[in-house]
Amino acid sequence: DTAVSQTPKYLVTQMGNDKSIKCEQNLGHDTMYWYKQDSKKFLKIMFSYNNKELIINETVPNRFSPKSPDKAHLNLHINSLELGDSAVYFCASSPGDKEAFFGQGTRLTVV
Amino acid sequence: AQSVTQLGSHVSVSEGALVLLRCNYSSSVPPYLFWYVQYPNQGLQLLLKYTSAATLVKGINGFEAEFKKSETSFHLTKPSAHMSDAAEYFCAVTTGGGNKLTFGTGTQLKVEL
Repeated sequence: DTAVSQTPKYLVTQMGNDKSIKCEQNLGHDTMYWYKQDSKKFLKIMFSYNNKELIINETVPNRFSPKSPDKAHLNLHINSLELGDSAVYFCASSPGDKEAFFGQGTRLTVV
Repeated sequence: AQSVTQLGSHVSVSEGALVLLRCNYSSSVPPYLFWYVQYPNQGLQLLLKYTSAATLVKGINGFEAEFKKSETSFHLTKPSAHMSDAAEYFCAVTTGGGNKLTFGTGTQLKVEL
């Protein structure tokens, strides 16, 4: 059983489109995250949710909107995609105070 | 505030040689420290973690790390490198309590025959 699963794994889309990435965890964790990994492999947190409530929003453009329908799911919707949004997006979950468990990532390519 | 510095974005070792990947942290409170490994086109996998128990931490695949408060370091070592160890390694820090994990910039390990 996959602990943190993301779909899709690859996403190629044109500039200006709107897309969503879904994430689900079956670990029973209260905290979920979205991280962005750029072309230089640098990992930066975007959002953190604790039990469906947003607790961290790291100066991410408003075009990015996370949604957590329940504590096992954290989806990421991106409006008006730009070339600079191309990256690998990782979902992760945590029991709240220590390590995070990561999904396999979604490679987003905007053309 | 918390931060992590990984010295050396690329490290190359011979198969069978010692692996040493450096990590220094900055934290205003006692930290929790982690090493993650990322294989090509994969997610991040936890190698080991320090959570204020033993300062010498053993992880998977023969890796270990030692927490040295006086040096604010958490270097990753492995006595004998294997080809399968070639990957990107990330050091990360958090102060717990639901706070975010902050990652270093990563070190790409290359293992040569």
